[in-house]
Amino acid sequence: GAGVSQSPSNKVTEKGKDVELRCDPISGHTALYWYRQSLGQGLEFLIYFQGNSAPDKSGLPSDRFSAERTGGSVSTLTIQRTQQEDSAVYLCASRRDRRNYGYTFGSGTRLTVV
Amino acid sequence: QQPVQSPQAVILREGEDAVINCSSSKALYSVHWYRQKHGEAPVFLMILLKGGEQKGHDKISASFNEKKQQSSLYLTASQLSYSGTYFCGTEQATDKLIFGTGTRLQVFP
Repeated sequence: GAGVSQSPSNKVTEKGKDVELRCDPISGHTALYWYRQSLGQGLEFLIYFQGNSAPDKSGLPSDRFSAERTGGSVSTLTIQRTQQEDSAVYLCASRRDRRNYGYTFGSGTRLTVV
Repeated sequence: QQPVQSPQAVILREGEDAVINCSSSKALYSVHWYRQKHGEAPVFLMILLKGGEQKGHDKISASFNEKKQQSSLYLTASQLSYSGTYFCGTEQATDKLIFGTGTRLQVFP
């Protein structure tokens, strides 16, 4: 597609439930990133996929968070047993190449845990 | 590890200039700049690779001092459309960005 697509755009869930957030990157972009942005805050790195390499999971805040990328394209971020502090906008970004290219971000998924 | 941006907030009248600074304690491979408007995703402005280059387009430019691990974003003759929050993102040897604390810019008529 022309841009990075994320779904759902909004998700309200009850505390303790599991949620799945989806990201469809730009075709041909080998790198895919997940960030989290709490209200009025900056962007917190979560996880990074590059081609067939093992993902960089160093930013995942707890073992309740996991992500996978299937076929080098679509990625799913899963949060198990959601907590209220998980409420945030989850942003996905993709990039074609390390040099000379910036990230293209999706519109994000606003997650609210009640 | 998170780069520090200054100032935290800037208020301008149309036509005025502004400088936003980004400083890191780590050796950097590149620095990115993004602008985020309220309720929207961040939008890429430019990337500066190590080598101390300066880049720019339109009335927005940036520099990267590799020795000091500092970058500055220059906005000249500001327009209403420049309003938003500006983030720098720094990249080390690993291929991921760590974003700064953000600078909120407001331009008034």
